[in-house]
Amino acid sequence: SQQGEEDPQALSIQEGENATMNCSYKTSINNLQWYRQNSGRGLVHLILIRSNEREKHSGRLRVTLDTSKKSSSLLITASRAADTASYFCAVGAGGTSYGKLTFGQGTILTVHP
Amino acid sequence: ETGVTQTPRHLVMGMTNKKSLKCEQHLGHNAMYWYKQSAKKPLELMFVYNFKEQTENNSVPSRFSPECPNSSHLFLHLHTLQPEDSALYLCASSQASGHTYEQYFGPGTRLTVT
Repeated sequence: SQQGEEDPQALSIQEGENATMNCSYKTSINNLQWYRQNSGRGLVHLILIRSNEREKHSGRLRVTLDTSKKSSSLLITASRAADTASYFCAVGAGGTSYGKLTFGQGTILTVHP
Repeated sequence: ETGVTQTPRHLVMGMTNKKSLKCEQHLGHNAMYWYKQSAKKPLELMFVYNFKEQTENNSVPSRFSPECPNSSHLFLHLHTLQPEDSALYLCASSQASGHTYEQYFGPGTRLTVT
């Protein structure tokens, strides 16, 4: 399966701390994307990293990609209570499934004020 | 969230009912998607439309029938559903599905089948 698998399943931290979430996948990818979902709402795209990139930044977000280990991590620095949400990695397929996104089960992040 | 809208936001229907979910995107995209999100399961891709043509049907039961009359509108027609079909149904759009672009999601329809 191409599905991304996030780790940990749940993460609880205090405001101001950093939060790190990991994603592993099994086959070749075109890119990997991270999304956020607030409870019962739609997903919001955060960042896309291509298979030939190793690191990408967007505001307080930092994403790394290690294609040799088939893994990615999302770091949220100086977390805020408003960052409380579920975070999903989505693997953008290569090969014959080009264009298809496969989502993992997500990491539930709780940031305490 | 105003880029992709979904109606209704909540729907309760009996197993013998027929209903439709509607999705509209105002982003000028050419690809639209239906996903199902059940508790404790990964987001499941159901259908993909690219320039109004269905390019993916992820082995979805025939009681779910998609319709894409143009690149801005997507429907999901529901009939004789089962209780296990209760879930959050999410619509998304992107520039095209021939290359992996970021997807923009609507707020979802919370469906309960009784």
